[in-house]
Amino acid sequence: DIQMTQSPSTLSASVGDRVIITCRASQSLSSWLAWFQQKPGKAPKLLIYKASSLESGVPSRFSGSGSGTEFTLTISSLQPDDFATYYCQQYNTFSFTFGPGTKVDIK
Amino acid sequence: EVQLLESGGGLVQPGGSLRLSCAASGFTFTNYATIWVRQAPGKGLEWVSSISGSGSTYYADSVKGRFTISKDNSKNTLYLQMNSLRAEDTAVYYCAKGLSGSNGVGDSWGQGTLVTVSS
Repeated sequence: DIQMTQSPSTLSASVGDRVIITCRASQSLSSWLAWFQQKPGKAPKLLIYKASSLESGVPSRFSGSGSGTEFTLTISSLQPDDFATYYCQQYNTFSFTFGPGTKVDIK
Repeated sequence: EVQLLESGGGLVQPGGSLRLSCAASGFTFTNYATIWVRQAPGKGLEWVSSISGSGSTYYADSVKGRFTISKDNSKNTLYLQMNSLRAEDTAVYYCAKGLSGSNGVGDSWGQGTLVTVSS
């Protein structure tokens, strides 16, 4: 099975900061990677699919990049609504593994 | 507007069974995969199972042989039959509509239903 890691596990940032979260896979995913945002007590929300495609309705301050085994989610200017936990998910194989998550909290 | 509404969660003893349902609307059920993802208390997301628009099924190793995914296209309803439940199956279970072309990525999600396995 493909193993997913994320770094950092927790990130403290301020409104307006540029935030970068990294996701790594144990084998190549090509571009079959998605990013989700989840707030406490709520369902996940799809942000990015196919590594860099922005889901409809998601603000353009979110962007994704990467291919193969290393991917990044960038928030260009952190907004108060962006404090949440972020997960990557691979869909290159039928195990559809999620990363362990990165919590973005207020500095 | 896509809507997904899970039901059927509750408290069950170890070794017991439970069936979750997910009523879907706002999309053509047979054109998209539907997915179950769970989240244990305080933990991350875990993909559980998917069923493609045409009915092919996929399972995580952790539930294979114990859980069965199915759907009723006439009712636009997704099911998850869970047997031989264990304490580690305790989680909020979400259903999701699959992203176009994917059997495992949810682009619209329900609010979740809590399953607690405990004696």
